[in-house]
Amino acid sequence: GQSLEQPSEVTAVEGAIVQINCTYQTSGFYGLSWYQQHDGGAPTFLSYNGLDGLEETGRFSSFLSRSDSYGYLLLQELQMKDSASYFCAVRDGSGNTGKLIFGQGTTLQVKP
Amino acid sequence: DVKVTQSSRYLVKRTGEKVFLECVQDMDHENMFWYRQDPGLGLRLIYFSYDVKMKEKGDIPEGYSVSREKKERFSLILESASTNQTSMYLCATQRDEQFFGPGTRLTVL
Repeated sequence: GQSLEQPSEVTAVEGAIVQINCTYQTSGFYGLSWYQQHDGGAPTFLSYNGLDGLEETGRFSSFLSRSDSYGYLLLQELQMKDSASYFCAVRDGSGNTGKLIFGQGTTLQVKP
Repeated sequence: DVKVTQSSRYLVKRTGEKVFLECVQDMDHENMFWYRQDPGLGLRLIYFSYDVKMKEKGDIPEGYSVSREKKERFSLILESASTNQTSMYLCATQRDEQFFGPGTRLTVL
C-alpha cells in the first residue's frame, strides 16, 4: 500500500525551532511537498523537494533523503501565526500527470 | 493571481438528496482534483481529471461521480447523499504545486 507517516501533534514556544518529520512508502516517488493549513482555511503550498538535500524559504526549510524515504519540515523563529496543520505529500507521477498522496497532517500549536 | 472558487462555503442537505459541488478555476490548468477532509484522516482523493471529459477514480470514489465538461469547471456529484458523506470538500488544481479552493463544508442530515 501507499502511506505517509507524520506526528499528529507538535507543541512549541514562540521563537523556538520545530521539526516535523515525514516518512513515506509509496509505489512511485516524484518529490515530497509540504502544505500548510490554518484552521478553517484551505491548504497552501510551502515547499517541494525533488532531490535529496535541504531547500530553504525564509524561516521554513524542507529536507529530503530518498534513500531513507524520509523528509522533514523545519520551522525556525516560530511565531504565533505558524499555529496550523502541516501536511507532507508525495507526488506519484512525473510532470503534470502525477497526483499527490497526503499524510494525515501534523497540528502545530505555538505557545507564547 | 491564482484563483480556485467553490460554489458554497456551507451546505446542508438531507439524506437521499442529489448534491452538486462546483469548482471553477481561472488558471487554465488541466489537472483538477476533489478531496474530502475529515479529522485525523487528512486529505483523501475522491476523483481527479487531467483533461476535459476525462476522469479518474481516486482512493474513495464510492458514492460520488464527477463531471468535467469545460476545462475551468470540475463538478462533484453525490447521487444520493448519506450522513457519512458529511465532510469538508476541497477542490484543487495543479501545475507543479496544487492550488486549493476555500472548501465546502457539507452536512447531510
